[in-house]
Amino acid sequence: GQSLEQPSEVTAVEGAIVQINCTYQTSGFYGLSWYQQHDGGAPTFLSYNALDGLEETGRFSSFLSRSDSYGYLLLQELQMKDSASYFCASQTGANNLFFGTGTRLTVIP
Amino acid sequence: DGGITQSPKYLFRKEGQNVTLSCEQNLNHDAMYWYRQDPGQGLRLIYYSQIVNDFQKGDIAEGYSVSREKKESFPLTVTSAQKNPTAFYLCASSISEAPHEQYFGPGTRLTVT
Repeated sequence: GQSLEQPSEVTAVEGAIVQINCTYQTSGFYGLSWYQQHDGGAPTFLSYNALDGLEETGRFSSFLSRSDSYGYLLLQELQMKDSASYFCASQTGANNLFFGTGTRLTVIP
Repeated sequence: DGGITQSPKYLFRKEGQNVTLSCEQNLNHDAMYWYRQDPGQGLRLIYYSQIVNDFQKGDIAEGYSVSREKKESFPLTVTSAQKNPTAFYLCASSISEAPHEQYFGPGTRLTVT
């Protein structure tokens, strides 16, 4: 079977840094993706890690440790518009993704 | 502008009726996907297609059917055999070599009563 675990909710202050963790148990693991989804909206792709280490894209960074079956998404200089749900998704096999249940991030003033 | 369109945004049906959800993309992507999302939950894969005239079952294919007659189009039929069809349905596409980076349509919210 496959499983992805991430916290269900996180709250952080505007301007701060927040880290959303994701641990996975999957077979045939290729890499870990992160998606953002605002309420009622479509998920949008944020980042992907196939190799161990940190990938940085503006205010967002993503990290992967294959040996620990663990990754995280780091959001810096939080803005109110970052309030959304964030999903980790494992690429399991050549053709598709398996999504976690999501972390709802609330940014407060 | 390139993108994925899904129609309609809201759909209401009576129990026992089949209903087809539309998904069209002009991104020239070979791969297309259908997901179901229930409130407060993640996305669950229903069907995916890597190429025209070929598709594979995902994790929750029972009660659903698809076709892929054109590269641009991947309609999903929710049949009366699907026990709990009320959900938010999302269509996505990607290049075949990068299934980790999927582009999503705006979704169709289906309510069956």
